[in-house]
Amino acid sequence: DSGVTQTPKHLITATGQRVTLRCSPRSGDLSVYWYQQSLDQGLQFLIHYYNGEERAKGNILERFSAQQFPDLHSELNLSSLELGDSALYFCASSVTGLPNEKLFFGSGTQLSVL
Amino acid sequence: SQKIEQNSEALNIQEGKTATLTCNYTNYSPAYLQWYRQDPGRGPVFLLLIRENEKEKRKERLKVTFDTTLKQSLFHITASQPADSATYLCAQTGYGGATNKLIFGTGTLLAVQP
Repeated sequence: DSGVTQTPKHLITATGQRVTLRCSPRSGDLSVYWYQQSLDQGLQFLIHYYNGEERAKGNILERFSAQQFPDLHSELNLSSLELGDSALYFCASSVTGLPNEKLFFGSGTQLSVL
Repeated sequence: SQKIEQNSEALNIQEGKTATLTCNYTNYSPAYLQWYRQDPGRGPVFLLLIRENEKEKRKERLKVTFDTTLKQSLFHITASQPADSATYLCAQTGYGGATNKLIFGTGTLLAVQP
């Protein structure tokens, strides 16, 4: 158990809908990362937050948004969902987000858009 | 843009042999390279980190090398066991000022035959 909690584990929804994925980092970790993993794309970096502030953005679509709350949990919002958004979404955390730190990953949320 | 390349073909080896996985990068030399293990349907798990100025790092049966001239990192598992079968991901950060992004390669699937 990595200590990172992601909910829900599975999500099935329809095209055009909006969903929210939730992540609780390990106790004491201030940094949260979001990744998308699909079969053909591998693990794609979406966004990084540190202590409530956005630190870096990757290939995150405009339809997607994220935030980190004062209690350090994070949410990833996906809207106007398309079939291609079906993927495994991972959250990871680290203590401060420095580049020499390892990441601890949650078990992911499997999103299926039908 | 920065790219990380891992051999997309699966690596099949016999139990007891040494498995060697390759990670190549383009353009900027990352300040840090990390290796993760991922089992099907699970989040990646950190294995080793190596810094730009380190040539080699070891942990039990694992060894990582970092050659900035060749722009390559090699990951070795000695005395491999069927339990080592998994996908191994190379990740880099600290390149070109992008200190807040940990970018992953697509991974190499290792299958250790008993």
